[in-house]
Amino acid sequence: QKEVEQDPGPLSVPEGAIVSLNCTYSNSAFQYFMWYRQYSRKGPELLMYTYSSGNKEDGRFTAQVDKSSKYISLFIRDSQPSDSATYLCAVSGGGADGLTFGKGTHLIIQP
Amino acid sequence: SQTIHQWPATLVQPVGSPLSLECTVEGTSNPNLYWYRQAAGRGLQLLFYSVGIGQISSEVPQNLSASRPQDRQFILSSKKLLLSDSGFYLCAWSRGGENEKLFFGSGTQLSVL
Repeated sequence: QKEVEQDPGPLSVPEGAIVSLNCTYSNSAFQYFMWYRQYSRKGPELLMYTYSSGNKEDGRFTAQVDKSSKYISLFIRDSQPSDSATYLCAVSGGGADGLTFGKGTHLIIQP
Repeated sequence: SQTIHQWPATLVQPVGSPLSLECTVEGTSNPNLYWYRQAAGRGLQLLFYSVGIGQISSEVPQNLSASRPQDRQFILSSKKLLLSDSGFYLCAWSRGGENEKLFFGSGTQLSVL
């Protein structure tokens, strides 16, 4: 069964704080793990992409995958008001049949 | 560089009317193409995907259909809209072999009244 669980929030934190966003998934066949950022009434944009377990860092963003726990995380350091958006986790087995998305977490960074 | 165009941005249609949403991709060949729907509180739901001209796979039974008449053109259609068809429709593409990296269009907000 394809299923990804994600807390919808909203999650409100002060500017400069470290943000932790999380998802769990149920199918151990998933090999690719992504985070997308979506601003209101816009299409999602790919933020982070990870294959299999481990960490990946890109600037202020760190994606973490723990396949043994079926748990994926996104950390945002030194959060900025411009980071306010909905963050969607997504998983894939690598096929052409699209990604399975979480419902998204609405993040608010307070100036 | 690759770009994806999706239109219209906003659409208000009465129940029972037809629908046609169009999406085109530029700057790449033979992309995989996708239609997703995003309803409030329900996340992104895959509706259709296509790996080539005339090849359409449906993920969810519904009164919508999709067609791919050209390599970089993807069309979402309905003969008679239902209230439940309201939502934010997103077209996306990926390169073959990199299916996990989706690039989305700007979306169409459809309101069926």
